[in-house]
Amino acid sequence: AQRVTQPEKLLSVFKGAPVELKCNYSYSGSPELFWYVQYSRQRLQLLLRHISRESIKGFTADLNKGETSFHLKKPFAQEEDSAMYYCASPAAGNKLTFGGGTRVLVKP
Amino acid sequence: DAGITQSPRHKVTETGTPVTLRCHQTENHRYMYWYRQDPGHGLRLIHYSYGVKDTDKGEVSDGYSVSRSKTEDFLLTLESATSSQTSVYFCAIRSGERSSYEQYFGPGTRLTVT
Repeated sequence: AQRVTQPEKLLSVFKGAPVELKCNYSYSGSPELFWYVQYSRQRLQLLLRHISRESIKGFTADLNKGETSFHLKKPFAQEEDSAMYYCASPAAGNKLTFGGGTRVLVKP
Repeated sequence: DAGITQSPRHKVTETGTPVTLRCHQTENHRYMYWYRQDPGHGLRLIHYSYGVKDTDKGEVSDGYSVSRSKTEDFLLTLESATSSQTSVYFCAIRSGERSSYEQYFGPGTRLTVT
C-alpha cells in the first residue's frame, strides 16, 4: 500500500522564522504530489501541486525523487500560516493517500 | 469550492441509530470520495465512487456503506452508529483534468455519536 509520512505532528515557530514541513512518499510510479492546507474548522484546500511548480502564499515544495520527499518550505512564516497541512500522493485506483498531517503554529 | 456541499454540517446521534450523510456536487465530476478525519490519523478513505452505481471500499470501510444513484449525489450511511465513528467526514471530488489526481473537498460534517 502507498504510504505518505509526515514525521512532525506539530511545528511551532515564531513569526518571521523559516518553516519546513517534511513529507516522504512511497509511490513507485510517476508521482503527482500535493500539499493541502486546512485552516481552523474549514475544508481542506489545495495549496500546491508539484507539477505546477508555483509558489502559493510564499510556500514552495521541491520534489526529490532520490529521497522520495516533497518537503514544504516558507522562508518567513506569518501568523495566518497557522493551520493543518497534509501531504498527499497518488494511490492505485484513482485515489490519493494522505499523510497524518502537521499542525503549524506561528507565534507572534 | 468546486460546487461541493455536504449535509448536515453537524449531527449528534445515539449509538445504534442509522445515519446518512449527503455529498452533493454541481459540476458533473465522475469520481467522488468519502474520508474521515481524526487526530493522529489524518484523512482516511472510507469509500469512493467512479460513476453512478460504481463504488469501492477504502481503507476504513467497515461499518459504512455508500450509494450513488445519480452523478451529483454520493451518500454515506452508518447502518448502526458507534462511538468510534465520531469524527469529521469530508467528501471530495476528483478534478476533471485528464490524468490529474487532484481532489477538491466539501466543507465537512461533524458527527458525534453518544
